[in-house]
Amino acid sequence: KQEVTQIPAALSVPEGENLVLNCSFTDSAIYNLQWFRQDPGKGLTSLLLIQSSQREQTSGRLNASLDKSSGRSTLYIAASQPGDSATYLCAVHGSSNTGKLIFGQGTTLQVKP
Amino acid sequence: EAQVTQNPRYLITVTGKKLTVTCSQNMNHEYMSWYRQDPGLGLRQIYYSMNVEVTDKGDVPEGYKVSRKEKRNFPLILESPSPNQTSLYFCASSMGTSGRMGTQYFGPGTRLLVL
Repeated sequence: KQEVTQIPAALSVPEGENLVLNCSFTDSAIYNLQWFRQDPGKGLTSLLLIQSSQREQTSGRLNASLDKSSGRSTLYIAASQPGDSATYLCAVHGSSNTGKLIFGQGTTLQVKP
Repeated sequence: EAQVTQNPRYLITVTGKKLTVTCSQNMNHEYMSWYRQDPGLGLRQIYYSMNVEVTDKGDVPEGYKVSRKEKRNFPLILESPSPNQTSLYFCASSMGTSGRMGTQYFGPGTRLLVL
């Protein structure tokens, strides 16, 4: 059974720092992996989607990488800003032709001015 | 505007009183799904639908029903709600055929309290 883990659960950094969020999964047979942002009391917003055949995706200050063989993905945030404060979740879509999506428990990021 | 809408946004009910939470998307997406989010447990998938009249169980389907009679709508039904179904519920949709899903678009959430 696929399990998705995100460490650390919480992270606090000063504004301007570059940072890396981690996501690991137990079954490397995945179709894609997505990173989401969730603000308190709000829904999830998709940030990046990486297909299993891709190594990385970039959007603005965000870069997500995928290493299927080691079961790991990272989300790199450059030059962090207070507006980046939120919970970041990763979710794995398995490749067994199902509609199941497995989420990690998220990393709550606080960027201090 | 492309969006996923859920109604109601907040609901307080009593044990055993049937309720329905509606979900609608205007992006012509094939795939739709329901999740619940609980502190310490994260987001867990309840049911999903690959297309009209095609539904399947997620990880926590007990106590819930769904139907997909139209492409745009995917209601979540609690036939006899219990206090352990108190949670924050999210609906999501994406393009996708044959189980190959793309970017997920989430609704704003429905906060349910069962007394």
